[in-house]
Amino acid sequence: GAVVSQHPSWVICKSGTSVKIECRSLDFQATTMFWYRQFPKQSLMLMATSNEGSKATYEQGVEKDKFLINHASLTLSTLTVTSAHPEDSSFYICSAPPLDRGRDGFGSGTRLTVV
Amino acid sequence: AQTVTQSQPEMSVQEAETVTLSCTYDTSESDYYLFWYKQPPSRQMILVIRQEAYKQQNATENRFSVNFQKAAKSFSLKISDSQLGDAAMYFCAYRSPYAGGTSYGKLTFGQGTILTVHP
Repeated sequence: GAVVSQHPSWVICKSGTSVKIECRSLDFQATTMFWYRQFPKQSLMLMATSNEGSKATYEQGVEKDKFLINHASLTLSTLTVTSAHPEDSSFYICSAPPLDRGRDGFGSGTRLTVV
Repeated sequence: AQTVTQSQPEMSVQEAETVTLSCTYDTSESDYYLFWYKQPPSRQMILVIRQEAYKQQNATENRFSVNFQKAAKSFSLKISDSQLGDAAMYFCAYRSPYAGGTSYGKLTFGQGTILTVHP
């Protein structure tokens, strides 16, 4: 259980463009999903919590207008990096806690490079 | 807010030997979950072991075991008979119990420890 699919696994985009990252729970319904950002050899930093049917909750310091999160259904959450800049280049990971409050499901991550 | 501290940025061990990774945390909650995650070069997060705070017995998973000291807020991971495949970055993580709203299931990670296994 707790299988999460994340796409794309890597993406290169030009500065100023937008990029969408998808996170799907495959074998369970996720009312909540979490989006993390990770720089090389550093920890995972929570960016925002995605809630199905309501607005996302952003951590302090995360720009809501830059990192748009949509939780369209119980199995899909998306993160859109708008007007991307080189400093947005990073590794983005999603996760979803299953309803039994047990094992979290992690996506395989997306390596974003903005050139 | 909860904090998780891993004071060992890097550790190394010889194959077949034992290594212990340290983790301390700070919380005012009495019930919570603690985890150790492994992140190999593929960067996929892999759950190594989980501990419920209300359980006094230390969790074990094959070659992996923890030393959970609730009063000291310490949660170390012991890897026995280390294998080359154990080389990875290890994260200690804290999770609040269900509280509804936005705090449900949120994981707080430590800084991570890079483990190198020498043949």
